[in-house]
Amino acid sequence: EPEVTQTPSHQVTQMGQEVILRCVPISNHLYFYWYRQILGQKVEFLVSFYNNEISEKSEIFDDQFSVERPDGSNFTLKIRSTKLEDSAMYFCASSETGQRRAPQYFGPGTRLTVL
Amino acid sequence: AQSVAQPEDQVNVAEGNPLTVKCTYSVSGNPYLFWYVQYPNRGLQFLLKYITGDNLVKGSYGFEAEFNKSQTSFHLKKPSALVSDSALYFCAYPNSNSGYALNFGKGTSLLVTP
Repeated sequence: EPEVTQTPSHQVTQMGQEVILRCVPISNHLYFYWYRQILGQKVEFLVSFYNNEISEKSEIFDDQFSVERPDGSNFTLKIRSTKLEDSAMYFCASSETGQRRAPQYFGPGTRLTVL
Repeated sequence: AQSVAQPEDQVNVAEGNPLTVKCTYSVSGNPYLFWYVQYPNRGLQFLLKYITGDNLVKGSYGFEAEFNKSQTSFHLKKPSALVSDSALYFCAYPNSNSGYALNFGKGTSLLVTP
């Protein structure tokens, strides 16, 4: 069964450094998402991406964040200058369509630790 | 404001017994509702969804959920729990405006004991 994959599984970085989290969505899916989950808190939506454009973003997704689909398979989340509060589990997801009824399929996550 | 609520932080069930994980919703219009499960060190896995139609929805791994409009609930159920069902369960709904963002409940930890 096709799966969303994410690398790395764990990333440790120093405050102020740039990080890039990588995802390979399911191959025939057209909509891509990033979510994060701070330890002990809810899963929170960050951004959705379709047709090489951001479709929707949350208040969390400020100028420090950017997303890109650099080629036909990868989908990346970049944090330009990490802060301590960016420490969280980051989940990539994809869906076949952008309809509200379409389930989103999630990757295993990247645990980001900012020191 | 739209939301889903999972009133229980943890549910404990003995293996072989039926399980229920509760979710109530406050969503305008016809709600679309989802259940996801998160096993340790894994991502969220889609279990099932309610769109419209039958109030009893069947999903993966023997799970089902009952949509109850009068009680605004969408409880997840399984007739006979397995130890391997122990995980974190999330109820979710999509934004009504764009539909892109899934909004999750806080999660319920299910522990099934042998």
